[in-house]
Amino acid sequence: QKEVEQDPGPLSVPEGAIVSLNCTYSNSAFQYFMWYRQYSRKGPELLMYTYSSGNKEDGRFTAQVDKSSKYISLFIRDSQPSDSATYLCAQGEGSSNTGKLIFGQGTTLQVKP
Amino acid sequence: SQTIHQWPATLVQPVGSPLSLECTVEGTSNPNLYWYRQAAGRGLQLLFYSVGIGQISSEVPQNLSASRPQDRQFILSSKKLLLSDSGFYLCAWSELGSPLHFGNGTRLTVT
Repeated sequence: QKEVEQDPGPLSVPEGAIVSLNCTYSNSAFQYFMWYRQYSRKGPELLMYTYSSGNKEDGRFTAQVDKSSKYISLFIRDSQPSDSATYLCAQGEGSSNTGKLIFGQGTTLQVKP
Repeated sequence: SQTIHQWPATLVQPVGSPLSLECTVEGTSNPNLYWYRQAAGRGLQLLFYSVGIGQISSEVPQNLSASRPQDRQFILSSKKLLLSDSGFYLCAWSELGSPLHFGNGTRLTVT
């Protein structure tokens, strides 16, 4: 079993739709959770990060973590064509070395005008 | 603000040739530095990380090595490239308690 499972998609939605992206993980030692967005041929850029269960909102983006189920989600409201990218979930264990992350495979999202 | 520079953006090298990829970070002191690789259709895999000058930890056995000659400089090297070394190489940095930030990567094709 992989440490992190993420459906690669592709996921295609019309502009304005609500998008739900998900990851499951198996390592209960993970303490912090991140979502990155990666445009083609670019490095990943950090969207959201959280250290706790529950919801965290930033503009049109909401990250949700359920540690009891080992399930994390990213919701995008009012999706735009500019949101078309690959979305990577990532998990880490300790705050002393926050760069040692386990990444999901990434979900490719296409938002059609 | 902090910035990370990584070059070159693309590189085509023959099998058996050496490799040197360089990464520098500005606007921070004593960052943790990382090299990740992203193979086609796969997630990112951590290759090396460094918590200080001359301190390198390797996460996976491979044909590559890393060095940190200066506080904000991180270098990825190989003496002889293999076809399997092709991929998208990403340098990244973090500080204590802060999330990871990536450069724009080098796309390496070994022919």
